[in-house]
Amino acid sequence: DGGITQSPKYLFRKEGQNVTLSCEQNLNHDAMYWYRQDPGQGLRLIYYSQIVNDFQKGDIAEGYSVSREKKESFPLTVTSAQKNPTAFYLCASSGDFSYEQYFGPGTRLTVT
Amino acid sequence: AQSVTQPDIHITVSEGASLELRCNYSYGATPYLFWYVQSPGQGLQLLLKYFSGDTLVQGIKGFEAEFKRSQSSFNLRKPSVHWSDAAEYFCAVARVTPIYIPTFGRGTSLIVHP
Repeated sequence: DGGITQSPKYLFRKEGQNVTLSCEQNLNHDAMYWYRQDPGQGLRLIYYSQIVNDFQKGDIAEGYSVSREKKESFPLTVTSAQKNPTAFYLCASSGDFSYEQYFGPGTRLTVT
Repeated sequence: AQSVTQPDIHITVSEGASLELRCNYSYGATPYLFWYVQSPGQGLQLLLKYFSGDTLVQGIKGFEAEFKRSQSSFNLRKPSVHWSDAAEYFCAVARVTPIYIPTFGRGTSLIVHP
């Protein structure tokens, strides 16, 4: 079955550590996105990528970094510069002209 | 810039009752509109979408939505709610050029009483 996988489901880190969240898709989609979700805030766009080796900052990119070395993969690193990293992170992809997004199951990150 | 307002943070309905979730958007061109549903701790699933044509669109799980350009609205409806419909619902508006970027509302939490 085609879809998006995110791992792990739950992630715990100490403050000051960088952490990388995985996102893989086998839908052959060119575009991939990372969102952060906080209660009552909806989804806020962190980074997006339209093609391999190219990505753009979204609305809340500070303290985050991404890479897009392969079409299937779009990992997100939450750096120690992110002031409030505890949140639910969602990865999504979309295909050309379908204009809809497919979402992964999410990773809940807790930083203490 | 595009934006979406979902005025209701929570909606409570009884099982079997009808449902309407409100969504208002702001966008300068012809909007691409979506409704997604999210179960607790899960990703989002597309319920329906509107690009053009018939302003009443049908989606999965018995949901429908009506696009009203004069009111800048895209409200979601269901004639009879089931307990399994309890979830978070997100409305989104997207620009598609030069790239596809959706903007989501803050969501409406649906509570279903037996």
